[in-house]
Amino acid sequence: QVQLEESGPGLVKPSETLSLTCTVSGGSISRYYWTWIRQSPREGLQWIGDILNSGSTNYNPSLKSRVTITLDTAKNQFSLRLTSVTAADTAVYYCARRGLDRYNGNFGKFFDFWGQGTPVTVSS
Amino acid sequence: SFDLTQPPSASVSPGQTATMTCSGDNLGDKYVSWYQQKPGQSPVLVIYQDNERPSGIPERFSGSNSGNTATLTISGTQAMDEADYYCQAWGTSTAVFGGGTKLTVL
Repeated sequence: QVQLEESGPGLVKPSETLSLTCTVSGGSISRYYWTWIRQSPREGLQWIGDILNSGSTNYNPSLKSRVTITLDTAKNQFSLRLTSVTAADTAVYYCARRGLDRYNGNFGKFFDFWGQGTPVTVSS
Repeated sequence: SFDLTQPPSASVSPGQTATMTCSGDNLGDKYVSWYQQKPGQSPVLVIYQDNERPSGIPERFSGSNSGNTATLTISGTQAMDEADYYCQAWGTSTAVFGGGTKLTVL
C-alpha cells in the first residue's frame, strides 16, 4: 500500500518561500505523476501541479510563476517550492499520486493516494 | 476557465439513496472522479473514470456522467457516509475540483 507523508514548516512569513517535501513509501516513485494540491476555506481544493518521474512538470497557470516541483528518485521524494507567499497561500497542503487507468495502464485523471496533509500558515 | 458546480448541501435518511450532482460545460466529454472527505482527514477517492470504484470502496457507491452533469449515488446510505464530497475533472491542462457537497445523514 502506497503511503505519502508531507513535511515542512507550518509557518512562513509573507514574501518568503514555502517549501514542502512529500516522502513516498510502499512503492516506487517511478511511472506515476506526483501531485501537490492545497485546500483552504476560500479556494476549496486547488490543484497546484505535478511531476512525472522523467522530470516533466505541469503547473496551475494561476500559480505557475511562483511554483517549482522537483523529484528526488533516490530518496523517493518530491518537493514543492512556492515563492513570494501571501496570506492567500495559507492552506492545508496535500501531496497525492495520479492513478493509472486499470484497463490500459495510461496515466489516469484522478488521485488515488493522498498524504494526510500539512497545514501552512502565512503570517509575520 | 473550466468550473465545476456542486450544491453545497444534501441530506438523506439512513438506508435511503443519496444523490449528489456536479455540473460543468460538456462534462460528459471528460472523466469525472469523486472524493469523500471527513473532518480532519484527507480526501479519499470513491469513484474514478465516471463509474469505477477503487479497491475497498463499498458497492453502494456508484457514479454516472452525461451531458453537463455527473452524479454520485450512494445506495443504502449509512451514517458513516456523512462527509463532504468533491467532484473533479480536468480542464485544458489543469485538474479542477468542485466546491463540494456536505452530505448529512439524518
